[in-house]
Amino acid sequence: NAGVTQTPKFQVLKTGQSMTLQCAQDMNHNSMYWYRQDPGMGLRLIYYSASEGTTDKGEVPNGYNVSRLNKREFSLRLESAAPSQTSVYFCASTSGGLAGDYEQYFGPGTRLTVT
Amino acid sequence: QQQVKQSPQSLIVQKGGISIINCAYENTAFDYFPWYQQFPGKGPALLIAIRPDVSEKKEGRFTISFNKSAKQFSLHIMDSQPGDSATYFCAALISGGYQKVTFGTGTKLQVIP
Repeated sequence: NAGVTQTPKFQVLKTGQSMTLQCAQDMNHNSMYWYRQDPGMGLRLIYYSASEGTTDKGEVPNGYNVSRLNKREFSLRLESAAPSQTSVYFCASTSGGLAGDYEQYFGPGTRLTVT
Repeated sequence: QQQVKQSPQSLIVQKGGISIINCAYENTAFDYFPWYQQFPGKGPALLIAIRPDVSEKKEGRFTISFNKSAKQFSLHIMDSQPGDSATYFCAALISGGYQKVTFGTGTKLQVIP
């Protein structure tokens, strides 16, 4: 049981390049999330998917797109990377409150630098 | 809009001391308040959580105190150890329906020997 996995672990992009961050969970969770973490700003929600087939914007969606490929996988795409997108990106999942479980399970993160 | 305010931003405590991190929230619809612990290079992990119908919850050396009227809650780490050195995030969510979590900005705790 791997939990939440993310690829890649590290990435350096030039301004204007595109890339997709991959996330997968093996806990049969309904809801999945993408956050970015910046110093002094905590975890900010980029996009979320409450269930398979649905996606919604979070607090900071500009410059990003997402795809909920199936129940297991939720990807984050940067179409044209900008230096302001230099950050650590975390994917998370939750059962969605089943049996009173509201815990968010986080992946190990992707450290992205845009030059 | 910062709906959960966390302080201090950083904290240095001597081994054996008490670490205290405070959070305040604005949205009275929040009804579940977790704390997450994050070690360097890792993702956050749930540490302890509380509902507002309880004023205190204790798990080992970690205690959450909750003041519903003041809309404040805090994490106390008793007998702090160097292994507790991490970043701590308070959070809040509405448990019904979709549970979108609002996180505080984090507190970096360093416990020195």
